Amino acid sequence: EIVLTQSPGTLSLSPGERATLSCRASQGVSSPYLAWYQQRPGQAPRLLIYGASTRATGIPDRFSGSGSGTDFTLTISRLEPEDFAVYYCQQYGSFMYTFGQGTKLEIK
Amino acid sequence: EVQLVESGGGLVQPGGSLRLSCSASGFSFSTYTMNWVRQAPGKGLEWVSSISGSSRTIYYADSVKGRFTISRDNAKNSLYLQMNSLRAEDTAVYYCARPDGPHFRYWGQGTLVTVSS
Repeated sequence: EIVLTQSPGTLSLSPGERATLSCRASQGVSSPYLAWYQQRPGQAPRLLIYGASTRATGIPDRFSGSGSGTDFTLTISRLEPEDFAVYYCQQYGSFMYTFGQGTKLEIK
Repeated sequence: EVQLVESGGGLVQPGGSLRLSCSASGFSFSTYTMNWVRQAPGKGLEWVSSISGSSRTIYYADSVKGRFTISRDNAKNSLYLQMNSLRAEDTAVYYCARPDGPHFRYWGQGTLVTVSS
């Protein structure tokens, strides 16, 4: 089973700043099988990025994904107030899905 | 518009059973694999189970194998999760999720299951 480790656990930034979130896999992940989600309090997760770098429908272009193999990154170029939330990476393989433990993005 | 609406959550004693339902609309339900994903209070996301459109292919997370049963009724556009031998660690919000390839594009609002005496 592939384990996804996200870092940092909590990221404290101010609106307008750039956020860089990391997702490291215990084994190589094929890029089409890596996705990122945003979850706000009390809401279901929302798909942000799939295929490691493709924005989902309606996602602002300040969100971008990159990486390959075992190291993937979600970047938010200029933080808006609504971006402060928890972010999860997710991979699919061997007929199962696994998620990272999440990165909480909080207002500094 | 794709809609997924879960129901059936509640308070149950350890060792008890509960059946969750997910009502789907806005897409051709029978052609999609469907999944359950759960989230313990204050914790991260955990995939629970998946079922193919024809019900021929079913997978479970090791944490629920032998205790939970996923099923579907394509005539009713409904997905189910029968949960037996429930434990405190099964306490979570349970989401119905429709994948779009290897990721989950659509999620329900979730239903809370609390296992406690």
